[in-house]
Amino acid sequence: NAGVTQTPKFQVLKTGQSMTLQCAQDMNHEYMSWYRQDPGMGLRLIHYSVGAGITDQGEVPNGYNVSRSTTEDFPLRLLSAAPSQTSVYFCASSPAGDHGYTFGSGTRLTVV
Amino acid sequence: AQRVTQPEKLLSVFKGAPVELKCNYSYSGSPELFWYVQYSRQRLQLLLRHISRESIKGFTADLNKGETSFHLKKPFAQEEDSAMYYCALSGYSSASKIIFGSGTRLSIRP
Repeated sequence: NAGVTQTPKFQVLKTGQSMTLQCAQDMNHEYMSWYRQDPGMGLRLIHYSVGAGITDQGEVPNGYNVSRSTTEDFPLRLLSAAPSQTSVYFCASSPAGDHGYTFGSGTRLTVV
Repeated sequence: AQRVTQPEKLLSVFKGAPVELKCNYSYSGSPELFWYVQYSRQRLQLLLRHISRESIKGFTADLNKGETSFHLKKPFAQEEDSAMYYCALSGYSSASKIIFGSGTRLSIRP
């Protein structure tokens, strides 16, 4: 099992560009989530999903879109990148009914 | 609303000294509490959860519903405990949504 795989590991964007952060898990987990990690603010929940076709907003959803067409994949789209979106992004997954999330290694995004 | 507060950004203790990382929460329903740890250059990983009442790497945490706290404790700190620690909360009926605190960096001095 590869666990939770995030790509790319690093990315630099210009303001206004769009991109998709990829997240895939091979553990057949129902739950998947996206977080951003900023110094002094911990991890903040962006969007989460309880299964294919079902997504919901977290604490800081503005400027981000998600979709969950399969159990394995949960991509995060930045619609029009802004410097405030410079952060480290983590994807995580968990079996339904369990509360222990498995995290990916993160994507470090810089918006200039 | 779910809320997790970790009042200390940095905690520095000597090797062999006791450690207590504070966590307070706010949640109207029945909470599930967790501690996650992130070692340098590693991904975030689950350390322990209150429901299992386990001790991992010498760490324990007790849920105090009266004080709405879930402090992480270890009687004797080791240098390898240096890491970033996050307290996290989900609702019993909403396991998919986990909210994290702002984290405490634990530094163990030799």
